[in-house]
Amino acid sequence: DIVMTQSPDSLAVSLGERATINCKSSQSVLYSSNNRNYLAWYQQKPGQPPKLIIYWASTRESGVPDRFSGSGSGTDFTLTISSLQAEDVAVYYCQQYYSTPLTFGPGTKVDIK
Amino acid sequence: EVQLVESGGGLVQPGGSLRLSCVASGFTFSKYAMSWVRQAPGKGLEWVSGITSGDSTFYADSVKGRFTISRDISKNTLYLQMKSLRAEDTALYYCAKSPLTSCYSPSDYWGQGTLVTVSS
Repeated sequence: DIVMTQSPDSLAVSLGERATINCKSSQSVLYSSNNRNYLAWYQQKPGQPPKLIIYWASTRESGVPDRFSGSGSGTDFTLTISSLQAEDVAVYYCQQYYSTPLTFGPGTKVDIK
Repeated sequence: EVQLVESGGGLVQPGGSLRLSCVASGFTFSKYAMSWVRQAPGKGLEWVSGITSGDSTFYADSVKGRFTISRDISKNTLYLQMKSLRAEDTALYYCAKSPLTSCYSPSDYWGQGTLVTVSS
């Protein structure tokens, strides 16, 4: 199974400042035949189901604000919130869908400082 | 509008069985892969099982041999039959839709979940 790790476990950022979350997979999730990274990011607010925000490591889901961006390839990935807003307070999970079982990272909690 | 509505959760004794259902609407149910993802109280997300548009199925090791995923196209319903339940199966179970026919894909829509509690 591919193990996903995230850092930090939590972070507190001032409104308008940048938040950066890292995700690492135990093996590459880059599929060579199509050059795509099988990596997604989800946002989960309290009492709500997860919401897909990024897929293929860097493609923003429709309707997601452009302050959210994803980057990375192979085994190392980053989710960046360029200017944190109050509504971005949530837990963020990365997920690999390169192989089954699909696996999630443990989550990173983002709060306002 | 895509909607996924789960039901069937509840309190069950260890060793018992339960069948979860997820009624889908707002999209052509037969065309997409579907998954079950669970979240234990206060914990992270765990993918449980997936089914492709062609009805190939996949399972997490923790549930293999105990859980069975299936779908009824005529009823636009996804199922998760759970047997030999354990305390560690206690979780909120989400039904999730894939944007692709394959399980090797993210989940773009999620239901609100149904709570399964395994306890004596």
